[in-house]
Amino acid sequence: EAQVTQNPRYLITVTGKKLTVTCSQNMNHEYMSWYRQDPGLGLRQIYYSMNVEVTDKGDVPEGYKVSRKEKRNFPLILESPSPNQTSLYFCASSLSLGGPLADTQYFGPGTRLTVL
Amino acid sequence: AQTVTQSQPEMSVQEAETVTLSCTYDTSESDYYLFWYKQPPSRQMILVIRQEAYKQQNATENRFSVNFQKAAKSFSLKISDSQLGDAAMYFCAYRSALGTNAGKSTFGDGTTLTVKP
Repeated sequence: EAQVTQNPRYLITVTGKKLTVTCSQNMNHEYMSWYRQDPGLGLRQIYYSMNVEVTDKGDVPEGYKVSRKEKRNFPLILESPSPNQTSLYFCASSLSLGGPLADTQYFGPGTRLTVL
Repeated sequence: AQTVTQSQPEMSVQEAETVTLSCTYDTSESDYYLFWYKQPPSRQMILVIRQEAYKQQNATENRFSVNFQKAAKSFSLKISDSQLGDAAMYFCAYRSALGTNAGKSTFGDGTTLTVKP
């Protein structure tokens, strides 16, 4: 089954304790992206990657790191989490080449992170 | 930077009726994609419909259709024959297609749709 998976789905942590949220897709998509969603707001892009070893900042990259060493994986790293990073996080992927489904993003189920 | 505005935080519709959700965007780019996503209470993001900016023809997917007005930078979603299962948050989204911004995505703040039986 074609899908984007995220782990963990729920996480409660404390300020300053490094954490990684994993994202994996099995569709051979070139493009992957991370978003956060806060109450009353839409999704805001954190980082995105057009392909392996290529990453770019989105609108809200502060406090986050990413890496793209393999095509299928795109982990989100919070080296020193703070309470303002409490949010719902989504990973997404898409084909970036042409075709009828190019650039349509497929989303993971979300990771609810609470930083105390 | 691109912006996406959904001016209706909440909308309601009677079952079997038609409702239109509004979306406007601002960009200086000529090539881009526009999307409507549905987010039910499960929080899963589900693609409803997509539109390529270079296509003049409005996209249609079953009961869902868009009115894409490129010059006005407007991208509204029409839901016909509304069903109880259509109740959700709907997000309008913009994605750059070319150049240095290729891959950047911007979402509106969403419209909560209630369907009344």
